[in-house]
Amino acid sequence: ETGVTQSPTHLIKTRGQQVTLRCSSQSGHNTVSWYQQALGQGPQFIFQYYREEENGRGNFPPRFSGLQFPNYSSELNVNALELDDSALYLCASSPRTSGSSGTDTQYFGPGTRLTVL
Amino acid sequence: AQSVAQPEDQVNVAEGNPLTVKCTYSVSGNPYLFWYVQYPNRGLQFLLKYITGDNLVKGSYGFEAEFNKSQTSFHLKKPSALVSDSALYFCAVRDTYGGSQGNLIFGKGTKLSVKP
Repeated sequence: ETGVTQSPTHLIKTRGQQVTLRCSSQSGHNTVSWYQQALGQGPQFIFQYYREEENGRGNFPPRFSGLQFPNYSSELNVNALELDDSALYLCASSPRTSGSSGTDTQYFGPGTRLTVL
Repeated sequence: AQSVAQPEDQVNVAEGNPLTVKCTYSVSGNPYLFWYVQYPNRGLQFLLKYITGDNLVKGSYGFEAEFNKSQTSFHLKKPSALVSDSALYFCAVRDTYGGSQGNLIFGKGTKLSVKP
């Protein structure tokens, strides 16, 4: 069974640029959530994708957007990068059923370290 | 507001001694609680979760956690610490409100240091 994978591992961008991060969910998992973990902080929820549609969003501006593909993999796109976007971006997958009660465990990938200069 | 608090930034334990990492929560409705561990330059690894039932939950690598509803706590414990347990530990609660419903609210993390 393959776990959650993310690419790239590290990324350096300059302020104002755009970035795309990628995530492949664990086998059998149809839901992907993205989190931002700033240095010294706990992860903060960005958004979740289920059945290729955004299914919940945290307190992040619209320049954070995403996609989910038919194979359940996902992308996180960030436009107009700011210095404060520098963080570890974590993807998590879970085996949500149609009647999810929110009890499913989220399994995390290793993350992408984004540095904005 | 729904939240998780980890009151200790760092916990120091001698190898072989019991360890406790503290967590308290505030959430509307039934709390679904999780513990994750993060090693340097790695993602989060799931340790255990409480959904319902027995207040003592057993998880991976010998860890366990005790759910206490009256104290709104979910402390992580291990009877005998190993040097390899040294890492960053996160407590999380399932969000039950608004647009982020169903996802996780994390504490700030507690750094566990186990000395030989």
